[in-house]
Amino acid sequence: EAGVTQFPSHSVIEKGQTVTLRCDPISGHDNLYWYRRVMGKEIKFLLHFVKESKQDESGMPNNRFLAERTGGTYSTLKVQPAELEDSGVYFCASSRTGTAGYTFGSGTRLTVV
Amino acid sequence: QKEVEQNSGPLSVPEGAIASLNCTYSDRVSQSFFWYRQYSGKSPELIMSIYSNGDKEDGRFTAQLNKASQYVSLLIRDSQPSDSATYLCAVNPPSGGSYIPTFGRGTSLIVHP
Repeated sequence: EAGVTQFPSHSVIEKGQTVTLRCDPISGHDNLYWYRRVMGKEIKFLLHFVKESKQDESGMPNNRFLAERTGGTYSTLKVQPAELEDSGVYFCASSRTGTAGYTFGSGTRLTVV
Repeated sequence: QKEVEQNSGPLSVPEGAIASLNCTYSDRVSQSFFWYRQYSGKSPELIMSIYSNGDKEDGRFTAQLNKASQYVSLLIRDSQPSDSATYLCAVNPPSGGSYIPTFGRGTSLIVHP
């Protein structure tokens, strides 16, 4: 079984630019989550998809962040325009419905300069 | 504000010793508890889950849960240098909703030969 795949693994962009992160969950996992870890802080929840629907987006920091999950498969997280405080590691995780343990992707390290 | 507290460490133990990692949580009605291991630059990996009071053993790992005192711990017996990583405690709300855990900041464990 392939794991959760994230792309790119690293991204360095200038303040004001746009970046799109992609996550491919494990096949058959209806639940997809985005998390972010800023240096020295805990992993923070951003949002949760069930299939293509946003179940909970209470963790999204502001309207510069837009997440989509086309057809309930892969998901994208767009940051537009990026700010310095958006730097961090963005993790995606997926799980089957009814299970509480996640499988995390390897993360995208975003650096905004 | 739901909180999960962990001592950031580093916790340094000699090879072969028992490493004890602790976590406290503020939401008294939490139901599910998880320990993730995260190697530097890698994604968190689920290593233990526990749902009821008492001990749960899996190989060299033992998770301990005390809901009355609101703490969960992870013991690693016969610690190995390969156990050196950051250990994240995650706490889930009651069932019936989406499984959105709150993570602690993690405890850095160093096992020295």
